[in-house]
Amino acid sequence: NAGVTQTPKFRILKIGQSMTLQCTQDMNHNYMYWYRQDPGMGLKLIYYSVGAGITDKGEVPNGYNVSRSTTEDFPLRLELAAPSQTSVYFCASRRQGRTYEQYFGPGTRLTVT
Amino acid sequence: ILNVEQSPQSLHVQEGDSTNFTCSFPSSNFYALHWYRWETAKSPEALFVMTLNGDEKKKGRISATLNTKEGYSYLYIKGSQPEDSATYLCVREETSGSRLTFGEGTQLTVNP
Repeated sequence: NAGVTQTPKFRILKIGQSMTLQCTQDMNHNYMYWYRQDPGMGLKLIYYSVGAGITDKGEVPNGYNVSRSTTEDFPLRLELAAPSQTSVYFCASRRQGRTYEQYFGPGTRLTVT
Repeated sequence: ILNVEQSPQSLHVQEGDSTNFTCSFPSSNFYALHWYRWETAKSPEALFVMTLNGDEKKKGRISATLNTKEGYSYLYIKGSQPEDSATYLCVREETSGSRLTFGEGTQLTVNP
């Protein structure tokens, strides 16, 4: 199993550009998450999904959109990139149930200038 | 306590020292408490998931305890090694079973 994969690994965007961060997991996990990690800060939840067709906002959803058309994929969309979105983005997945841990992807480092 | 709080923020110890960190969290709507280990330039990796008051988990030299009534968890490392250097994250899961709140982490540096 590849686990959780994210693409791209790095990206530089200009202010106002749009992009989609891809996340795929091959573990048949119901739950998927998007986090951002700002320099010197912890992880903040952007959006999460408990299954295909279901998404919900986390702590910091403004400026982002998600979709979950399949169990495997959970892309994160930035419509109008702003410097405040410069961050490292982590996707994670887990099985449904309270005793299961999250599995994280390798992260995407995004810079908006 | 409204958020997940971890202390200390950072810690420097010598190889061979034993150490412990604290995670405090809201006890209402508690569902589970996770600990993750996060090495620089890597992704977080799960250490433990605990659900019941009084739970204790152990993995090698690392162990954790949980008190859901007062809302805290301790992580212990016995005989720290340089490879233990990482940020240790505490994560609270709400009753909904899907939403997780991360603490800021405790950054541990073990000097050889």
